[in-house]
Amino acid sequence: GENVEQHPSTLSVQEGDSAVIKCTYSDSASNYFPWYKQELGKRPQLIIDIRSNVGEKKDQRIAVTLNKTAKHFSLHITETQPEDSAVYFCAASIYGGSQGNLIFGKGTKLSVKP
Amino acid sequence: ETGVTQTPRHLVMGMTNKKSLKCEQHLGHNAMYWYKQSAKKPLELMFVYSLEERVENNSVPSRFSPECPNSSHLFLHLHTLQPEDSALYLCASSHVGGDTEAFFGQGTRLTVV
Repeated sequence: GENVEQHPSTLSVQEGDSAVIKCTYSDSASNYFPWYKQELGKRPQLIIDIRSNVGEKKDQRIAVTLNKTAKHFSLHITETQPEDSAVYFCAASIYGGSQGNLIFGKGTKLSVKP
Repeated sequence: ETGVTQTPRHLVMGMTNKKSLKCEQHLGHNAMYWYKQSAKKPLELMFVYSLEERVENNSVPSRFSPECPNSSHLFLHLHTLQPEDSALYLCASSHVGGDTEAFFGQGTRLTVV
């Protein structure tokens, strides 16, 4: 089955700096890669996703890149703000598959210092 | 509100008790999931129901028993739990075969004493 590795487990940056979180996956059939943000005491919520037919996707200050050959994908947050502080989870699944279950990485706790 | 509702929000139970967690989704999804979230394993998949059939059981102890009576409801029946089972239990739902974005409920914070 799919296995998703996520690094780093914790990340501390100064406000205004960029933050990068990296994930690798094992199943070459996976073609859908969402990123979830979980603020303290709240549920995980989707912030951006990418499908395997594109290599990069941007949404304002966040972007995700995908390297299918190397089986890794990354989340980039630019001009970080204190409200970006949260735990971020990457995940992988097979879009259009019969199961659709997401396998998550272990999460990265991002702290943005003002 | 994301359309996925979990009850109760908090639960304290003894090791000999039997309790159930409930999840309900109003999004028209046809797949539902139970995840366990703890300090050791931040998001651990427990069970997946796709089109009301269980498709995955990740070596979860038998003291956890899921039930999916229809595509909108999911239960997790608990009995003779251990203190290490204390965690946040998250329910999620998504479409199978289509957009697989998962929507999460608020979770049930379970404490086993």
